[in-house]
Amino acid sequence: AQTVTQSQPEMSVQEAETVTLSCTYDTSESDYYLFWYKQPPSRQMILVIRQEAYKQQNATENRFSVNFQKAAKSFSLKISDSQLGDAAMYFCAYRSAGGTSYGKLTFGQGTILTVHP
Amino acid sequence: KAGVTQTPRYLIKTRGQQVTLSCSPISGHRSVSWYQQTPGQGLQFLFEYFSETQRNKGNFPGRFSGRQFSNSRSEMNVSTLELGDSALYLCASSFLVEKTQYFGPGTRLLVL
Repeated sequence: AQTVTQSQPEMSVQEAETVTLSCTYDTSESDYYLFWYKQPPSRQMILVIRQEAYKQQNATENRFSVNFQKAAKSFSLKISDSQLGDAAMYFCAYRSAGGTSYGKLTFGQGTILTVHP
Repeated sequence: KAGVTQTPRYLIKTRGQQVTLSCSPISGHRSVSWYQQTPGQGLQFLFEYFSETQRNKGNFPGRFSGRQFSNSRSEMNVSTLELGDSALYLCASSFLVEKTQYFGPGTRLLVL
């Protein structure tokens, strides 16, 4: 079974600065997808970024980028130019690309990000 | 395009009762997954439906069940509620071969 670990329960950053959230995962599969979701106080889960395991290039979405290290099974999220609206719980998630794991995301425990003005 | 909608947003029930939660996916999305979120256990996968068929199920007791209709709307039912069923229930939908799930706002269930 796959597991996802976020070792930082809480992180904080000053507005306009950069912060990196860590995520490691354990899997025996070679093809899979990784995601970062953001959950603000409203509890709505919002997709931040997605990475396909077969792609060596790291995904980027505006101020958000990932450092995907497949061999190390590491998937960190970098937030540049942090904004107050970035404050939320961030979840790392794994999804198998095939087999019988239909529709199942495996989540880490989350990292609470605080942004200071 | 409208997002995933869930109703009701809040529910209060008592132990032993049953509850039905509803989820309407994004138009064109045929896969619907359900998750339970609690402070102690985090986010846990309940089940996934595609074309009215349950394709995958998480490690939850049989009191948790679901179904999907021909229009892809899905319902989940919890019978004989227990205090530990108090949680945020999230529904997510995805397109046929798209692996990205888009979440609804959730239903917050409180069992007294």
